[in-house]
Amino acid sequence: ETGVTQTPRHLVMGMTNKKSLKCEQHLGHNAMYWYKQSAKKPLELMFVYNFKEQTENNSVPSRFSPECPNSSHLFLHLHTLQPEDSALYLCASSQVWRDRGGEAFFGQGTRLTVV
Amino acid sequence: ELKVEQNPLFLSMQEGKNYTIYCNYSTTSDRLYWYRQDPGKSLESLFVLLSNGAVKQEGRLMASLDTKARLSTLHITAAVHDLSATYFCAAGPMDSNYQLIWGAGTKLIIKP
Repeated sequence: ETGVTQTPRHLVMGMTNKKSLKCEQHLGHNAMYWYKQSAKKPLELMFVYNFKEQTENNSVPSRFSPECPNSSHLFLHLHTLQPEDSALYLCASSQVWRDRGGEAFFGQGTRLTVV
Repeated sequence: ELKVEQNPLFLSMQEGKNYTIYCNYSTTSDRLYWYRQDPGKSLESLFVLLSNGAVKQEGRLMASLDTKARLSTLHITAAVHDLSATYFCAAGPMDSNYQLIWGAGTKLIIKP
């Protein structure tokens, strides 16, 4: 099993659809993240969960809704997205940096296209 | 507010040459990371730098951190084609245990 697994790898959805992205980590980390990577933009942190509790939310539109049922799983629920939301969505996990350096391990990403 | 600036943003070089990518950050940070991303792929951790003067090396890549200058460098020695990728640095703000602020990335192309 790879460390951080994301599904699906590719997703095309209409603006009225509802879909979910899934992330699972097998590294025993206590923090999980959703990042958005758009062309020609720095990586943007969307949400952070620490021990299942959301600790940071970087002013993400409500059409993105995270869910963290346990410390190994993370979901990103999508609804009524806009074409500008098309991007690569990356999940990552880490330990608190003061414990083990905070190195983040990333999943393979979901390439999302909103039509 | 912590900001991270990488330069150059694009670098094309010949195999066998040496070069350095620079990562400057605007305010105090206690951790600095380097990642590699191949086209269409995810990010792979390369180095974690946690103290002033830290130097880490892996193969032809060497990273260093100068917290006083707020500068990290990624040095490439005798580049080979396989090192072609986009390289990102990221720094952690002092007021967050989890947040990372990312540079825009340096796209490195190494020609045979």
